[in-house]
Amino acid sequence: KAGVTQTPRYLIKTRGQQVTLSCSPISGHRSVSWYQQTPGQGLQFLFEYFSETQRNKGNFPGRFSGRQFSNSRSEMNVSTLELGDSALYLCASSLVPSGRTEAFFGQGTRLTVV
Amino acid sequence: AQSVAQPEDQVNVAEGNPLTVKCTYSVSGNPYLFWYVQYPNRGLQFLLKYITGDNLVKGSYGFEAEFNKSQTSFHLKKPSALVSDSALYFCAVRAQPVYGSGNTGKLIFGQGTTLQVKP
Repeated sequence: KAGVTQTPRYLIKTRGQQVTLSCSPISGHRSVSWYQQTPGQGLQFLFEYFSETQRNKGNFPGRFSGRQFSNSRSEMNVSTLELGDSALYLCASSLVPSGRTEAFFGQGTRLTVV
Repeated sequence: AQSVAQPEDQVNVAEGNPLTVKCTYSVSGNPYLFWYVQYPNRGLQFLLKYITGDNLVKGSYGFEAEFNKSQTSFHLKKPSALVSDSALYFCAVRAQPVYGSGNTGKLIFGQGTTLQVKP
């Protein structure tokens, strides 16, 4: 069974640009969450999607947005990039939107903003 | 507010010795607790979880964790460490999501503990 697939693995962008990251969850998983990992702030929750609807949102500015498609694949977008957006962005999928279920993470997209 | 503390930035153990990685949490209501491991340039791998029931939870790769409600702790343990266990370990807590919200409840992670197992 294929795991969570994130593309691209690495990205280098310039300040002010925008970027779109993609996540394909494990087959059959319908809930997708996004996390940002930085050395200073650790792992922080961005948002969660289920049935193409955002169900939960973390404390990030509106420049961070996402969406989910009918096949459960998800994208996140960051507009007007800042240097501080450099991070590893992790996508996680869960079978169903239940707190009891574990999340399975992809390998992440390493975003570097220069 | 929910929080997780991993008091040790790094734990060093010799191969073959038992290891413990500590985690304490704060959450209102019944906690759902998780341990993940991260190898360099990789995502997080799920190790084990505590939802309810037996306080000793067994997980992948010989790891286990003990839930202690009175001490609000969920320490990760392994009877005999391997060099290949060297990695970054994260404890996470998830509060019960609001019924019908359609979400899993966000994971709150600790800052991580680097485990170094020496031959």
